[in-house]
Amino acid sequence: GAVVSQHPSWVICKSGTSVKIECRSLDFQATTMFWYRQFPKQSLMLMATSNEGSKATYEQGVEKDKFLINHASLTLSTLTVTSAHPEDSSFYICSAIWVRGGIQYFGAGTRLSVL
Amino acid sequence: DAKTTQPTSMDCAEGRAANLPCNHSTISGNEYVYWYRQIHSQGPQYIIHGLKNNETNEMASLIITEDRKSSTLILPHATLRDTAVYYCIVRPGNYGGSQGNLIFGKGTKLSVKP
Repeated sequence: GAVVSQHPSWVICKSGTSVKIECRSLDFQATTMFWYRQFPKQSLMLMATSNEGSKATYEQGVEKDKFLINHASLTLSTLTVTSAHPEDSSFYICSAIWVRGGIQYFGAGTRLSVL
Repeated sequence: DAKTTQPTSMDCAEGRAANLPCNHSTISGNEYVYWYRQIHSQGPQYIIHGLKNNETNEMASLIITEDRKSSTLILPHATLRDTAVYYCIVRPGNYGGSQGNLIFGKGTKLSVKP
């Protein structure tokens, strides 16, 4: 299957700093990427839908000024958590749709811990 | 909200077939059934999907009832590495833009035991 690479896999930062997470589709072009968040013992919750070359669409309750998404190319989307606080600590997962098969592939996830 | 219902947990003996059921009684004609699994602390892994015919690949088989209101994922020879949470998800076939989003329910926690 297609591969989605997510980096970093784990990050610890101080409260008030910003963290950038990268999501790359390695062997296919993805016009649409998604960003999810997962808290312990809960299921994945969609944060935003990212379309190449346009502004991301955020789900209700997700602050767009706090979670900046950039999808500048067909193979790269980034999520920047600005002014991170301890309540932002979570498991962030990106995914991309392989248009040819309509299958959504996921990255390995990034565990963010804000101290 | 997720449009599927799955048992919370299941056990399976190593080497035996694991049969994971899913109810999707409100599925629409253009919606596919997708199965993913999530091993602890990893991103979800695609397993298989289908519309109305049974499907098989190197990982699993998907059996969809004729009325499409339920399906079963079959792992023919479960191993310890198959221990994970399995998600059954329905999604429209026209997956452009936000329609491509997968809505995850609670899934079934499958425990494969020696």
